[in-house]
Amino acid sequence: NAGVTQTPKFRVLKTGQSMTLLCAQDMNHEYMYWYRQDPGMGLRLIHYSVGEGTTAKGEVPDGYNVSRLKKQNFLLGLESAAPSQTSVYFCASSYLPGSGANVLTFGAGSRLTVL
Amino acid sequence: EDQVTQSPEALRLQEGESSSLNCSYTVSGLRGLFWYRQDPGKGPEFLFTLYSAGEEKEKERLKATLTKKESFLHITAPKPEDSATYLCAAELYGQNFVFGPGTRLSVLP
Repeated sequence: NAGVTQTPKFRVLKTGQSMTLLCAQDMNHEYMYWYRQDPGMGLRLIHYSVGEGTTAKGEVPDGYNVSRLKKQNFLLGLESAAPSQTSVYFCASSYLPGSGANVLTFGAGSRLTVL
Repeated sequence: EDQVTQSPEALRLQEGESSSLNCSYTVSGLRGLFWYRQDPGKGPEFLFTLYSAGEEKEKERLKATLTKKESFLHITAPKPEDSATYLCAAELYGQNFVFGPGTRLSVLP
């Protein structure tokens, strides 16, 4: 089991460029999430998905879009990158909440720098 | 506003020197309190979930406890391999998680 795999691990963009981060999980989890982690702040939820074909906004969704065309994949897109989007991005997945502990399994992270 | 804070921000211990990390939460409806460990350059890894005040859970040198306002992560006789950032997160009913900023623990040999 690979768990949660994120690609790419590192990326440098110029302001205004676009890119997509890919998250793949092989645990058959229903829920998938995209978080960003900035120094001195807790992980903040960008978008999440409760199943294939569904997405919802989290705490900090502006400037990002997501898609979940397949159950195992969750894509995070930046249409026009800004320096404020410089961060480390984490994808996570979990089973349906309500069935015991909603344990998040995280990927290794994608470090994005916007110049 | 739902909020989770952690203290101290950073902690340096000598090997074998026991201590505690604090997680304080002010949330509208707590479903569970989670502790994660994060090593540099990696994603957080699950440690514990606590659901009710008075509950305790242990794993090797770590013990997590929960009250109505805060949770503690007690580290007994730590070793250098316990060095990491420890995150706590409040899972809210009908919503997602609110994460604290973490405590960066360094255990010196």
